[in-house]
Amino acid sequence: EDQVTQSPEALRLQEGESSSLNCSYTVSGLRGLFWYRQDPGKGPEFLFTLYSAGEEKEKERLKATLTKKESFLHITAPKPEDSATYLCAVQATRDTGRRALTFGSGTRLQVQP
Amino acid sequence: GAVVSQHPSWVICKSGTSVKIECRSLDFQATTMFWYRQFPKQSLMLMATSNEGSKATYEQGVEKDKFLINHASLTLSTLTVTSAHPEDSSFYICSASLPRGLGDTQYFGPGTRLTVL
Repeated sequence: EDQVTQSPEALRLQEGESSSLNCSYTVSGLRGLFWYRQDPGKGPEFLFTLYSAGEEKEKERLKATLTKKESFLHITAPKPEDSATYLCAVQATRDTGRRALTFGSGTRLQVQP
Repeated sequence: GAVVSQHPSWVICKSGTSVKIECRSLDFQATTMFWYRQFPKQSLMLMATSNEGSKATYEQGVEKDKFLINHASLTLSTLTVTSAHPEDSSFYICSASLPRGLGDTQYFGPGTRLTVL
């Protein structure tokens, strides 16, 4: 059974204080790992897709990396508007037919001014 | 690009009534759409996978007679909650995938808050 574990569950940072969020996964053949941002009462907003170990992607203050067992979402010099829940999800190679995602429980990030 | 809309954004209904939620891909054709349910402070739980022109595939434990899914076109999928009860109150979110060969990313709608009285 595919499993995605995110840590920490919640994180409070001061504005400008860089940190990393972790996503550990167990899947029988990774097809893709996805990062989303979700604001309260809204649907998830797509951030990144990573396909192979060693791959990195960046967008503004966010950088996602991938190894064979985990992914990190690095946040550099965060601002209050980065406050949100960050979700990690995996797609297994055996699921390419139905293309389903397995989500982690998320990390609730709060950035204080 | 890759915008997904949902309607309504929120709905309140009486116990025993049925509610229909629409999910549309606005700027791309989605052969596959997904329906999720999310409880407060919890992650997304996949309910079913909807393929255009065919029957939906439901996850284990999801009652297909209660949650009717129709994917009649490449841009529209609907979820009907039949004979809704208070325990069906939740946040329902749909997503859509780009056509095969263009990536596996799912793009999500803004969600529908259902409250059953």
